[in-house]
Amino acid sequence: KQEVTQIPAALSVPEGENLVLNCSFTDSAIYNLQWFRQDPGKGLTSLLLIQSSQREQTSGRLNASLDKSSGRSTLYIAASQPGDSATYLCAVMAGTALIFGKGTTLSVSS
Amino acid sequence: DGGITQSPKYLFRKEGQNVTLSCEQNLNHDAMYWYRQDPGQGLRLIYYSQIVNDFQKGDIAEGYSVSREKKESFPLTVTSAQKNPTAFYLCASSIGGLDTEAFFGQGTRLTVV
Repeated sequence: KQEVTQIPAALSVPEGENLVLNCSFTDSAIYNLQWFRQDPGKGLTSLLLIQSSQREQTSGRLNASLDKSSGRSTLYIAASQPGDSATYLCAVMAGTALIFGKGTTLSVSS
Repeated sequence: DGGITQSPKYLFRKEGQNVTLSCEQNLNHDAMYWYRQDPGQGLRLIYYSQIVNDFQKGDIAEGYSVSREKKESFPLTVTSAQKNPTAFYLCASSIGGLDTEAFFGQGTRLTVV
């Protein structure tokens, strides 16, 4: 059964730091991997989608990589800002629906 | 604006009552999903539908029911058989197929009183 793990569970950094969030999955047979952002009490906002044939995707200060063979993905956030504070969720499409990790809660202090 | 609308935002249910959560999308997506989110547990799949008039159970379907009579709508009923219904419920949709991007609504917080 596919399992998704995100490390660390929580992360606090000062403004301006570059940071990396990690996501690992147990079965490499995935169709795609998606990174989401969730603010407290809100729904999920899609940040980046990486197809299984791709190695990385970039959007502004965000860069996500995918290594299917090792079952890993990273989300790189450059020059972090207080507005980046949120929970970041990783999910893989394996089968017919997304399977989620428990998320990394990021706090960026000014 | 295209998107996914969940209503209500907050819902209170008495013990023994059934309640229905609404999910509507105007993205012309074929696939729709219901997830439950509990603190510290991540999102868990309740039901999904790949096409109108068809739906499948997810990992935690017991105590829930759905219908998919229209492409735009995928309502979730939380029945009295659901032992611990207090949670945050999220609806999502995607174009369909296995490699498409999923989009989420803003969620409904259900509380049993």
